[in-house]
Amino acid sequence: NAGVTQTPKFQVLKTGQSMTLQCAQDMNHEYMSWYRQDPGMGLRLIHYSVGAGITDQGEVPNGYNVSRSTTEDFPLRLLSAAPSQTSVYFCASSYSAGANYGYTFGSGTRLTVV
Amino acid sequence: KQEVTQIPAALSVPEGENLVLNCSFTDSAIYNLQWFRQDPGKGLTSLLLIQSSQREQTSGRLNASLDKSSGRSTLYIAASQPGDSATYLCAVRTYSSASKIIFGSGTRLSIRP
Repeated sequence: NAGVTQTPKFQVLKTGQSMTLQCAQDMNHEYMSWYRQDPGMGLRLIHYSVGAGITDQGEVPNGYNVSRSTTEDFPLRLLSAAPSQTSVYFCASSYSAGANYGYTFGSGTRLTVV
Repeated sequence: KQEVTQIPAALSVPEGENLVLNCSFTDSAIYNLQWFRQDPGKGLTSLLLIQSSQREQTSGRLNASLDKSSGRSTLYIAASQPGDSATYLCAVRTYSSASKIIFGSGTRLSIRP
């Protein structure tokens, strides 16, 4: 089924460990984004990309890196995990700007840093 | 900077009632506005997308309206059911930041049987 696929669904990390959250879409969407969702804070944009090779920072980029080597994939890297990065992470994608294009979200990755 | 507000933060109504959820935004130069539903521990499901040139969109018991000039959108749910219990989020896509969408903080809806 066409959509946004996130892996893993759950992950527990120790402080200081690194990991990559995977995101892939098969809809040929140009735009892709990463959000984190925390209780009382809503959904906040971490990084986003408007196409292969082009990324930019969102509202809360510190502690995260991204790259976009293909249209389909947009991985999010945590270089040295901290307890403050415990959250639910969502990847989303969309066609490029247009009034009739909305965003499609993945099912999320629940990350706990201990 | 676009700001999106949803009031109330939580709402509890008896089954069968019609209800309205509100979303307001500060920058009226938008491409579109999207309403999402999120069940506890789950992802976001898109319910309705209203283009900037449209006044409303309907899907089943859901009707979303858009008034760009006043910076407001409403989501109307007819004949509410316990299965409608979830958090409802609105998000806007603006001309100035077309590569991302800005979310409101959501309304947590509970329908009492």
